[in-house]
Amino acid sequence: GDSVTQMEGPVTLSEEAFLTINCTYTATGYPSLFWYVQYPGEGLQLLLKATKADDKGSNKGFEATYRKETTSFHLEKGSVQVSDSAVYFCALSPSYNTDKLIFGTGTRLQVFP
Amino acid sequence: NAGVTQTPKFRILKIGQSMTLQCAQDMNHNYMYWYRQDPGMGLKLIYYSVGAGITDKGEVPNGYNVSRSTTEDFPLRLELAAPSQTSVYFCASSPPQGGGADTQYFGPGTRLTVL
Repeated sequence: GDSVTQMEGPVTLSEEAFLTINCTYTATGYPSLFWYVQYPGEGLQLLLKATKADDKGSNKGFEATYRKETTSFHLEKGSVQVSDSAVYFCALSPSYNTDKLIFGTGTRLQVFP
Repeated sequence: NAGVTQTPKFRILKIGQSMTLQCAQDMNHNYMYWYRQDPGMGLKLIYYSVGAGITDKGEVPNGYNVSRSTTEDFPLRLELAAPSQTSVYFCASSPPQGGGADTQYFGPGTRLTVL
């Protein structure tokens, strides 16, 4: 079945460091891909999305590119801030059910000043 | 506009006890969902509802019940709590028009421990 695999955390970085959180997926057809973020004490929020191959989603300095050839959707940010400390979830929505979300396990990011 | 609210935030149950996790949304969304997240795992769908009076099973429905008597509320009932139900529970909602996975709004979660 469809699934999402993302790197284990925690990822610990100093402020202004470069961030990559890896995400790969298995799916039939052409799913939509998402990154959600959960700040401490809050619910998950949509961070960015991409709906077709080679699309780049971006928001708040974060970017991810839909790579069909490598079935990946890695999250990147050029310079992280302490306020980016959160749990990041990669997810996909299958092409056969666009209301369904399949999540990865989440990656905790800790940014220190 | 509070969005999606969940109560309680934390709860400890003994094996065999029952409880209801509350979820409410004030965005007039038709679609509502319950997920659970086990340690080190992704979120899994328990039940969902496409409108008042309509509910359907998700991926992991065993041991749970839901009802949807109003658009706003979508409570999740655990009848006989088991240690395997120790998890963090998330409620979400989304509008149906142009709806899709990217329009789901999540609550802050309820952390449940069954001992």
